Amino acid sequence: DAGVIQSPRHEVTEMGQEVTLRCKPISGHNSLFWYRQTMMRGLELLIYFNNNVPIDDSGMPEDRFSAKMPNASFSTLKIQPSEPRDSAVYFCASSSADGDSPLHFGNGTRLTVT
Amino acid sequence: AQRVTQPEKLLSVFKGAPVELKCNYSYSGSPELFWYVQYSRQRLQLLLRHISRESIKGFTADLNKGETSFHLKKPFAQEEDSAMYYCALRAHSARQLTFGSGTQLTVLP
Repeated sequence: DAGVIQSPRHEVTEMGQEVTLRCKPISGHNSLFWYRQTMMRGLELLIYFNNNVPIDDSGMPEDRFSAKMPNASFSTLKIQPSEPRDSAVYFCASSSADGDSPLHFGNGTRLTVT
Repeated sequence: AQRVTQPEKLLSVFKGAPVELKCNYSYSGSPELFWYVQYSRQRLQLLLRHISRESIKGFTADLNKGETSFHLKKPFAQEEDSAMYYCALRAHSARQLTFGSGTQLTVLP
């Protein structure tokens, strides 16, 4: 298995532009998580899905952020409009239905908003 | 709500010296604790979890419920151990992990 796949690896955009980050979880995993990593705050959970349904989006910073999971093998995190303070590394992770399953992380997308 | 605290943002030790990365948690129930490691510009990888009670790459961590701690230890640090280490907690019957702010470990030659 290739693991969790995220794209793009790097994204540089100007303030005000729309940004879409993509994630393909490990096949067979039914939980998907979006985390944001910054130097100041470490890893923060933004949202997670179980069986494609959003369960907890309390970590989503504001209405500019939205996430979807149209099917079991694909999720997107969208920022519209983007702001410089959104610059961070965004990680996607997945886990299986087994209650003991750890999270498996993707390589992350490094977002820079200028 | 649960919380994970890693008091040290940066930690430097010399090669061959013992290392301990501190992790404290607050949670009213019975938690599951993890340590994840992130080498330079790589993905986070699971290092170990308390229910496994195993040693990975020479690292061990013991859950101390009395002190609500899950410190990561290694008796002899190696240069390749230099990385960012995150302690994480999973609440009972939860799927998501709550992470600490991380500790950047640098092992000096």
